[in-house]
Amino acid sequence: EPEVTQTPSHQVTQMGQEVILRCVPISNHLYFYWYRQILGQKVEFLVSFYNNEISEKSEIFDDQFSVERPDGSNFTLKIRSTKLEDSAMYFCAGRTGADTGELFFGEGSRLTVL
Amino acid sequence: KNQVEQSPQSLIILEGKNCTLQCNYTVSPFSNLRWYKQDTGRGPVSLTIMTFSENTKSNGRYTATLDADTKQSSLHITASQLSDSASYICVVHFMNRDDKIIFGKGTRLHILP
Repeated sequence: EPEVTQTPSHQVTQMGQEVILRCVPISNHLYFYWYRQILGQKVEFLVSFYNNEISEKSEIFDDQFSVERPDGSNFTLKIRSTKLEDSAMYFCAGRTGADTGELFFGEGSRLTVL
Repeated sequence: KNQVEQSPQSLIILEGKNCTLQCNYTVSPFSNLRWYKQDTGRGPVSLTIMTFSENTKSNGRYTATLDADTKQSSLHITASQLSDSASYICVVHFMNRDDKIIFGKGTRLHILP
């Protein structure tokens, strides 16, 4: 069964360093998302991506964040200069274009900023 | 303001007992509502979807209901098992906004042996 895969599963970084989280969505999906979940808190929307461009982003997704899908396969989230408060689980998700399309989540990448 | 509120925040029950989780939403225009199960440290997985015209839907021991008039949904778990211990998240989709999805905070369910 196809699945969304994310790498790395866990990354520890120093504050101020750049981090790239990678996701390989399911091949027939058209909409892609990044969410984050701080430990013990709700899942928060970061950004949605469709037709090779950002379709919506939240207030969390500031200038330090960027996304791209350069080769039509990997979908990446870059954090340019990490802060302590960026420590969280980051989930990639995708879905088809159907109105009732289910979100398929990856297993997440845990980011720890020291 | 478009919101999804879930209750209770957490719940502890004994194995074999039933329970019901609640979700109230103010999302408009509404497209559909899904319940997701999130095991600790894992990504959420969809359990069931409810569209505007559906009142109840079952998936094994899980039964979801939807009242579109009162904008309420419930997830009933029958004969709970230890593996049901997880967070259950109510997620509501806007109509005509493919990228607009609102997550509830989830209900943390603990099943005790």
